[in-house]
Amino acid sequence: DTAVSQTPKYLVTQMGNDKSIKCEQNLGHDTMYWYKQDSKKFLKIMFSYNNKELIINETVPNRFSPKSPDKAHLNLHINSLELGDSAVYFCASSLLGEEKLFFGSGTQLSVL
Amino acid sequence: QKEVEQNSGPLSVPEGAIASLNCTYSDRGSQSFFWYRQYSGKSPELIMSIYSNGDKEDGRFTAQLNKASQYVSLLIRDSQPSDSATYLCAAKKTSYDKVIFGPGTSLSVIP
Repeated sequence: DTAVSQTPKYLVTQMGNDKSIKCEQNLGHDTMYWYKQDSKKFLKIMFSYNNKELIINETVPNRFSPKSPDKAHLNLHINSLELGDSAVYFCASSLLGEEKLFFGSGTQLSVL
Repeated sequence: QKEVEQNSGPLSVPEGAIASLNCTYSDRGSQSFFWYRQYSGKSPELIMSIYSNGDKEDGRFTAQLNKASQYVSLLIRDSQPSDSATYLCAAKKTSYDKVIFGPGTSLSVIP
């Protein structure tokens, strides 16, 4: 049983397209996150939701819109994709206040 | 200035040696510190957390924290080729704050 699963694993698309990444966790956690990891391995938080409420919203272009239909799911929709969006996007979850983050396997996004 | 800094490496050590990974942080309000290991093409996984000044040992791993110097380190004793990975240092202010990651140090253990 995968604890934090995200789909798709790979996403190759053209500039200007719109795409979504989905994430689900079955750990019973109440907080979910999106992180972006660039080619230099720098892992940077983008958003965090606690019980479907947005609690962290870093300086991210408006083209990125997270959505949490329930506390077990957090999706990321990206409009008008740009070359600079190419990265690995990781979903993660935790219990609010707990230290350990559980990461999904990542989505490698390549914008051509 | 990044909030959490690490030498990007690569750091190469022979098998059986001690690997020493270093990290500094800029926010004196940081209270919790973590080391995540990330194998190539995989997701990060937590290997150590430390909250108080001093050393914390777990098997072959020892985390060291010096809040006065704003310095965190990870020692890996008897390094194995399977320890070859990128090690991410991370910090957090309070339990409810975001985790800030450093850029990671690539470690290569040579057989």
